[in-house]
Amino acid sequence: GQNIDQPTEMTATEGAIVQINCTYQTSGFNGLFWYQQHAGEAPTFLSYNVLDGLEEKGRFSSFLSRSKGYSYLLLKELQMKDSASYLCALSGSARQLTFGSGTQLTVLP
Amino acid sequence: DTAVSQTPKYLVTQMGNDKSIKCEQNLGHDTMYWYKQDSKKFLKIMFSYNNKELIINETVPNRFSPKSPDKAHLNLHINSLELGDSAVYFCASSLGGPGGEQFFGPGTRLTVL
Repeated sequence: GQNIDQPTEMTATEGAIVQINCTYQTSGFNGLFWYQQHAGEAPTFLSYNVLDGLEEKGRFSSFLSRSKGYSYLLLKELQMKDSASYLCALSGSARQLTFGSGTQLTVLP
Repeated sequence: DTAVSQTPKYLVTQMGNDKSIKCEQNLGHDTMYWYKQDSKKFLKIMFSYNNKELIINETVPNRFSPKSPDKAHLNLHINSLELGDSAVYFCASSLGGPGGEQFFGPGTRLTVL
């Protein structure tokens, strides 16, 4: 089976940097995804990690340590529009995603 | 130019009714999925189809029956609706191989009264 933990809520200030952590246990690792979901909208893809290390994409970066069962999503230069739920997800053997419960990020002016 | 579309966007119905949700993707993807997001925003896989074949069927009541007439469509039929079926249902699709980004449809908000 798979188990994913991430904080329920986080708050940060516009222009700041925030790190959202995700820890997981899984019997077979096929990759870890981060998705963003604004209220009332569909999840949208942010990043994918399958090897250890940091993947950078503009203001967003994602890190993975397979030995520690740990990932984080780093958001830099926060903007108000970054207020959303951030979902950590593990990829299964059939490419289905098992999602964590999501971290609701609120960006304050 | 909608990549993954779902109809209807909202569905309000009485307990005991039967309803269907349709999903279509124009991305040329080979795998389609149905996810359920409950009131606590927890997103859970229900079904996965690859090239029209069912490959994942999580612990879902058999009142839920997916149907894939072709690779671009995956419909969800629900019989004898119950109050607990109220949720947002998302269709998604991806292309073969690991790390394939899943594209989600806009969701169908089902309310059972």
